[in-house]
Amino acid sequence: QVQLVQSGAEVKKPGSSVKVSCKASGGTFSSYAISWVRQAPGQGLEWMGGIIPFFGTANYAQKFQGRVTITADESTSTAYMELSSLRSEDTAVYYCATLRSVWFDPWGQGTLVTVSS
Amino acid sequence: QSVLTQPPSVSAAPGQKVTISCSGSSSNIGNNYVSWYQQLPGTAPKLLIYENNKRPSGIPDRFSGSKSGTSATLGITGLQTGDEADYYCGTWDSSLSAWVFGGGTNLTVL
Repeated sequence: QVQLVQSGAEVKKPGSSVKVSCKASGGTFSSYAISWVRQAPGQGLEWMGGIIPFFGTANYAQKFQGRVTITADESTSTAYMELSSLRSEDTAVYYCATLRSVWFDPWGQGTLVTVSS
Repeated sequence: QSVLTQPPSVSAAPGQKVTISCSGSSSNIGNNYVSWYQQLPGTAPKLLIYENNKRPSGIPDRFSGSKSGTSATLGITGLQTGDEADYYCGTWDSSLSAWVFGGGTNLTVL
């Protein structure tokens, strides 16, 4: 059974970048599709993009194009999401999740990113 | 503004049944599978229903899903206080080339 464990909470200044990690255990990492979904305080879920480690190519939601970079390191079974040019509206909990065919399961525990001056 | 439309909240008494709707269009629900997620307070979303109406192992048959045209519905019977959570529908949107979710529905078991 796949398990995803994310890095800890971050506090960042506006204009800076943040890199969140998502370490997978169980199964074959390179064959998964890993997506990143964020949830602003009191808001719904928003898909940011995803990657299939085996192919190494990521795809992104148009809203985040140019500002987000999703990568994967097969040697450590870890996926990363880096978001740049942070603004207060990026304050959210960021989740990684395994995309299985057409559904997301399981999800990581979430990483709170707070953007504040 | 979410691509998929859900009612903000629903409520029902313990033991009763509730349904949560999810409305979309031909570019998303109309031509793609729908999944449903339960998010208990302070926790990550959890898969409840996949491929419109299938339940993962461990999900009780009190939870059911259906789809008709450009809408999907989550049903929960025998409501328990532990079912109080936010529920989200999700699917692929072919026009946006993106995964999209509903705005979420908060379930209160009175």
